[in-house]
Amino acid sequence: QVQLQQWGAGLLKPSETLSLTCVVYGGSFSDYYWSWIRQPPGKRLEWIGEINHSGGTNYNPSLKSRVTVSVDTSKRQFSLNLRSVTAADTAVYYCGRRYGGFDSWGQGTPVTVSS
Amino acid sequence: EIVMTQTPLSLPVTPGQPASISCKSSQSLLHTDRKTYLYWYVQKSGHPPQLLMYEVSNRMSGVPDKFSGSGSGTDFTLKISRVEAEDVGVYYCMQSIQLPPTFGQGTKVEI
Repeated sequence: QVQLQQWGAGLLKPSETLSLTCVVYGGSFSDYYWSWIRQPPGKRLEWIGEINHSGGTNYNPSLKSRVTVSVDTSKRQFSLNLRSVTAADTAVYYCGRRYGGFDSWGQGTPVTVSS
Repeated sequence: EIVMTQTPLSLPVTPGQPASISCKSSQSLLHTDRKTYLYWYVQKSGHPPQLLMYEVSNRMSGVPDKFSGSGSGTDFTLKISRVEAEDVGVYYCMQSIQLPPTFGQGTKVEI
């Protein structure tokens, strides 16, 4: 049974960098894409980007200029960096496992951007 | 990107009665591999979304058979045959035939 556990800072000031990490317990690490998804208050879920075990990445074009997703296969971890945050980046951020759909999710990290 | 549109956005239901949610995509979700990349999730308060259905009509392990999915091309439906109190939550459709994966606005099912 796979479990995803995520962590990272929950309060940021405008222009700072959001950094989150997700560790994967159980299951295969190499057969999936490992994604970040966010949910702004009152808005629909938004996919941010993903990475596979060999470091191949895909990003949402709307965020691509500010996003980096990285992986540490030895630790079964993957990370999100989102640069130059603004209030519009306030959301609950989730890590997830994707094989078509997202079948496993982290617990979510609320992130607030405020001066 | 593909736009996913759900109706209704709010669905009051009576326990024991059926419920139905519609999802329309701005492009066909039928791939050349003959799979249709349409998924349904439910999000209960304070929790991450949970995958209910994959590729239109396949229930995830542990999902009761009161949930059913149907549709093709650009029009899809999630049905709950008899709603129970535990089914309250926000239901989302999602496509992954094309990156970025995109979600519907969500349908809030409440009793």
